[in-house]
Amino acid sequence: NAGVTQTPKFQVLKTGQSMTLQCAQDMNHEYMSWYRQDPGMGLRLIHYSVGAGITDQGEVPNGYNVSRSTTEDFPLRLLSAAPSQTSVYFCASSMGGQGRNQPQHFGDGTRLSIL
Amino acid sequence: GQNIDQPTEMTATEGAIVQINCTYQTSGFNGLFWYQQHAGEAPTFLSYNVLDGLEEKGRFSSFLSRSKGYSYLLLKELQMKDSASYLCAVKDTGGFKTIFGAGTRLFVKA
Repeated sequence: NAGVTQTPKFQVLKTGQSMTLQCAQDMNHEYMSWYRQDPGMGLRLIHYSVGAGITDQGEVPNGYNVSRSTTEDFPLRLLSAAPSQTSVYFCASSMGGQGRNQPQHFGDGTRLSIL
Repeated sequence: GQNIDQPTEMTATEGAIVQINCTYQTSGFNGLFWYQQHAGEAPTFLSYNVLDGLEEKGRFSSFLSRSKGYSYLLLKELQMKDSASYLCAVKDTGGFKTIFGAGTRLFVKA
């Protein structure tokens, strides 16, 4: 029962570096989302996808790119890391179609620090 | 605009009942979720309301009034392990996006 798997769990970057946060789910879920969680601000939606090949922006998309080439994988790319992107990142998946009001399943998170 | 309001922190005593309120103003509505999040962990699903009224699940109940843009989560027979953050989240009309409130940190004391 892997569910949603995020890698890495922790990462420290220098300003200007790029990296990709990985997210994979094995539940055949159509919907996948990336959130960041900062103290006092709850979960904010970065990007989301309703199926392979389809992505859209959330509330705070600037500085991040996503792609969805398969149903299982939804990587998040930081193009040029900035200290303001220091946060905890969560990937989530949920059913689509008739099951689109089912809850989201979250990965364990990636704790990212930008120096 | 989208706005979801919850109290920042609450404290309650073990064995007691606590009610966590959530008010929302969103451009669309396709259901309201409550999630529990322990410190350093991922959120986990607690309850879902899409119609007005009360949904009960063991020690947890959730209420929704769509006309008032209001929900609450009721926790009965509080246990120490209920110390966590409780997140109120609203799904938009299309069912694609979920907007979260900032969460309520609940401290349960002995």
